[in-house]
Amino acid sequence: QITLKEAGPTLVRPTQTLTLSCTLSAFSFTTGGVAVGWIRQPPGKALEWLALIYWDDDKRYSPSLKGRLTITKDPSKNQVVLTMSNMDPVDTGTYYCALASGIPEFGYFFDYWGQGTLVTVSS
Amino acid sequence: EIVLTQSPDFQSVTPKEKVTFTCRASQSIGTSLHWYQQKPDQSPKLLIKYASQSFSGVPSRFSGSGSGTDFTLTINSLEAEDAATYYCHQSSSLPHTFGQGTKLEIK
Repeated sequence: QITLKEAGPTLVRPTQTLTLSCTLSAFSFTTGGVAVGWIRQPPGKALEWLALIYWDDDKRYSPSLKGRLTITKDPSKNQVVLTMSNMDPVDTGTYYCALASGIPEFGYFFDYWGQGTLVTVSS
Repeated sequence: EIVLTQSPDFQSVTPKEKVTFTCRASQSIGTSLHWYQQKPDQSPKLLIKYASQSFSGVPSRFSGSGSGTDFTLTINSLEAEDAATYYCHQSSSLPHTFGQGTKLEIK
C-alpha cells in the first residue's frame, strides 16, 4: 500500500521560504511513468495545482507561482521536496503531496494523496 | 490555462436519489478529466479517471461520462456517506487545473 506523508513547519513568517518534504512508502522512483505533485488548498477554498516532478526528473510549475517554487526529489530517501519563497499570508493553507499515475499522452491523475499539512503564514 | 467550471456549487439531496454534477472546460481536453471526492478534514480521493474509468475500490454507484469540454459525474442511489465536496481536474495540458468544487449535502 503506497502512502505519502508531508512534513514541514506549521507557521512561517511573511517573506520567509517554506520547505516541505513528502516521504513515500512502498514506492520506488525507479518506477517509470509516474510523478509526484504538490497541491494546496486555502481554508474553505478549492484545490490549486502547484508543481509536478516526473520519474525522469522533468519538472513543471504553476505559472502563477513560477519563480517562487522549486521541486526536487531524493530517490535515496524516497522523498520529494517543495520550496516556496517569499511567503505571504495568502499562501496559508493545507499543502498536499500526491502520487500521479496514468498515460503520459493524456496526462496524469492523482491516485494517492498524503494527509496534508497546514501551513499558516503570519507575523 | 484551462479553466474548469463546475455546477452547481451546492446541492442538497435525499438518500437513494440520483445526482449529477457537471464540469465544463474552457477548451477541449479530450478525456483527460478526473473526479475526486473530499470529505471534511480529509484529503481528496480519486473516484474517476479519464472521464469514465472507475478507480479501484470505488463503489459502482459512482460513474463519469463526457469528452471534449463537457463532463458529468453521476452518483446513483445516494448514501449518507457521500456527503462531500467533489472536484474535477484536467491533465490535458499544463498547468493542471481543478474546478471550484461542488458541495453535496445529504438531507
